[in-house]
Amino acid sequence: SQQGEEDPQALSIQEGENATMNCSYKTSINNLQWYRQNSGRGLVHLILIRSNEREKHSGRLRVTLDTSKKSSSLLITASRAADTASYFCATVGNTPLVFGKGTRLSVIA
Amino acid sequence: DAGVTQSPTHLIKTRGQQVTLRCSPKSGHDTVSWYQQALGQGPQFIFQYYEEEERQRGNFPDRFSGHQFPNYSSELNVNALLLGDSALYLCASSFLGGGWNTEAFFGQGTRLTVV
Repeated sequence: SQQGEEDPQALSIQEGENATMNCSYKTSINNLQWYRQNSGRGLVHLILIRSNEREKHSGRLRVTLDTSKKSSSLLITASRAADTASYFCATVGNTPLVFGKGTRLSVIA
Repeated sequence: DAGVTQSPTHLIKTRGQQVTLRCSPKSGHDTVSWYQQALGQGPQFIFQYYEEEERQRGNFPDRFSGHQFPNYSSELNVNALLLGDSALYLCASSFLGGGWNTEAFFGQGTRLTVV
């Protein structure tokens, strides 16, 4: 079963704009991770945020975590056509990665 | 470093048949997890292997079984294939000594089609 829900399910933006994706989950976690998937192939790890962290940055990525609301957000700044992909949040609690259904991001050049 | 490798890339099987998928973990990793991803869905956890033992299992029937070898590589076996088993099967490796707060590396997956 899916742990979380990403919102929106699909997002279309112009190159150079920022993209924000949200993730909600149901149970307590050790950490939350974001992954990217191109064209139904393997997943690429983007960033891991621990349950005692509130914000984390990596290049053009910014992730926030609010454990009281059981939610996280992924912000991609200055988006590029190459950012077009599906983005998944995954939580780690007492089990390995539990994924949401993902957000399909389209960046139009 | 070859990363996580999976074979085969694509596979077509008939209902009722059996299939074996293979995974070689990233160098230095000792734990292998398998996921099933149906079209348009997120990956779902099947099971995880460590030290040649099934460590955890998701909500999948016994038709799904696995194995881990002394060199940490792993196989996923599915018996009595159903049409609903058609999916992308992903293997992920990690280092258990890193604890829960460690990233997993994924292979490119095996696309299984059951006809």
